Formats: sequence, structure tokens, C-alpha cells
Amino acid sequence: QIQLVQSGPELKKPGESVKISCKASGYTFTDYAMHWVKQAPGKGLKWMGWINTYTGKPTYADDFKGRFVFSLEASASTANLQISNLKNEDTATYFCARGYDGRDWGQGTLVTVSS
Amino acid sequence: DVVMTQTPVSLPVSLGGQASISCRSSQSLVHSNGNTYLHWYLQKPGQSPQLLIYRVSNRFSGVPDRFSGSGSGTDFTLKISRVEPEDLGDYYCLQSTHFPPWTFGGGTKLELK
Repeated sequence: QIQLVQSGPELKKPGESVKISCKASGYTFTDYAMHWVKQAPGKGLKWMGWINTYTGKPTYADDFKGRFVFSLEASASTANLQISNLKNEDTATYFCARGYDGRDWGQGTLVTVSS
Repeated sequence: DVVMTQTPVSLPVSLGGQASISCRSSQSLVHSNGNTYLHWYLQKPGQSPQLLIYRVSNRFSGVPDRFSGSGSGTDFTLKISRVEPEDLGDYYCLQSTHFPPWTFGGGTKLELK
């Protein structure tokens, strides 16, 4: 059974950093791309970018260049999203999703940024 | 980037009725390999999105045949027949033909009339 299990909710202050993990199981991790998607409260889905799980190369959407870093722990079948210098507008649920068609999604990680 | 325009924003339906959601792209979604990478998702309240239809008309594993996708080029439709309570939520289309980026539609809330 294919699963993407994300790390738990985070409460952070502006200026802090956060790292979200997405642990995959049930398939060969390096066979499928991993995408990251942001959903602000009450809003739609916004693609943040993706990471090639075979080469480790990340690609960022224009709005997510600079403070956002995608990384892998391939030996642990885990993809990570790190956000630095957090801002109030980073408050959102972040999802990982597998494959070109997003056939499987993690359960989401709520990041709340508040002073 | 391709812009995906999804309508309506809100769709009141009766249980047992039919619903139709439209997704229109700003340019053709036919890939140079001949495939069309247009997908549909349902996000139930408090849950992550789940794939319903991939590449226009292919139902994902476990998706009931009440869900059907159609369309070509720039115009696509998701139809839900015999709406059940578990079908309520937010529907999104996504294009991955002109990747990167992925581009989502704005979403359609399917709710009870």
C-alpha cells in the first residue's frame, strides 16, 4: 500500500525556520517525482515546485524561490521542505504529492506563523 | 504559464442528482507526445486532495464509475452522476502538459442544495 506520511503541525514565529518531511512507502522512491503544494487557509491549491527523486535536483515555482528548499533523504525514502525566515503569509497547509499526475498525496502539514 | 479557468465556483446539487464542472485552459493541453495531461481531484473537508481522473478520462484506482471525465484541447468536463454525500467537497483540475509548472484550476465547491 502506497503511503506518503508527513510530519506533524508546526507553530513558529516570524523569522524562524521550519522543516517538513514526507516519508514514502510502498513503491520505489526514486521512480517518481515528488511535488510540493501549498494551501493557504480557505484557499485553493498552489504548486510550489518539485524534486527529481532520482537526481535530487529541485525546481521551484517563481513564487517559491529564495526561502524554500526541497531536499531528499533517499536512503530513508523521504522528501523534505524547508522554509526559512518565515512570514505570516507562510501560514498554510503544505502537501507532498507523488508523480506527474499527483496520484498520491500526503496528509498535509499545517504550519502556523504567529508572533 | 497556462491559466486554468474552472467553473462554476460553487455548485449546489441534490443527492442522487448530476453535477458538471468545467475546466478551460489558456492553451491546448495536447502534449507533443499526443497525450493530454489534464487531471481531476476531490478534496473532502479536512483531507488532502485525491486523484479521481487522470489524463482527461481515466478513472483512478477505486474511483466509482459515477465519475467521468471528457474533453479535448482546451475544454474539459468532469461529470458526477447520482451524487452521494461522500462526493461533497472541493474539486480541482490540474494541467501537467506544460510542465513546469503544474497549474491548478481555482476550484469548485460541490455542496448540497
